[in-house]
Amino acid sequence: DTAVSQTPKYLVTQMGNDKSIKCEQNLGHDTMYWYKQDSKKFLKIMFSYNNKELIINETVPNRFSPKSPDKAHLNLHINSLELGDSAVYFCASSQEAVMNTEAFFGQGTRLTVV
Amino acid sequence: RKEVEQDPGPFNVPEGATVAFNCTYSNSASQSFFWYRQDCRKEPKLLMSVYSSGNEDGRFTAQLNRASQYISLLIRDSKLSDSATYLCVVNSHNQGGKLIFGQGTELSVKP
Repeated sequence: DTAVSQTPKYLVTQMGNDKSIKCEQNLGHDTMYWYKQDSKKFLKIMFSYNNKELIINETVPNRFSPKSPDKAHLNLHINSLELGDSAVYFCASSQEAVMNTEAFFGQGTRLTVV
Repeated sequence: RKEVEQDPGPFNVPEGATVAFNCTYSNSASQSFFWYRQDCRKEPKLLMSVYSSGNEDGRFTAQLNRASQYISLLIRDSKLSDSATYLCVVNSHNQGGKLIFGQGTELSVKP
């Protein structure tokens, strides 16, 4: 029944490693997002995909690479992890990027880089 | 200036109190407005959309003033279960439709 699911829920890894976070939505939405919530609890958009096409790419280091194999999935790959990457990463989806529509969030992936 | 700014928190109120949150946004082209709620260590969830004429959902009332670029949320008869962080959210369609979040205001309702 989970609408937006992301894995893993917790991720602890060493600096310099490469890791991926997966996200899937079963709502039939055509737009998916990645948000980062830092230690100050501020939620900031990183990427947005509409029908597998990148439409928003905020100022994010190019170590972060999103991949959307189909409109139900948006994965986030992070290369050469740094201490400052530690945060909670939320995946979200909505029906259309330009409509007044609710976004549904996954439960978050708490990334800790040590 | 942040795109969406909210009252600094935390708000500590007794049960039964009425509490109001304020929010301002900088992009006059913004078209959609929301209040989301985020519980500790959980994902944000939509509390209510905010419409130009103002809208109410039970104990919650949201208001929008486009001229002042101001949004508010009023919670009446606070319950312990209202304790959470309340996020003001704006959707600017001229920015690809992304949701822009305020930093959130923490509410703690005490017995």
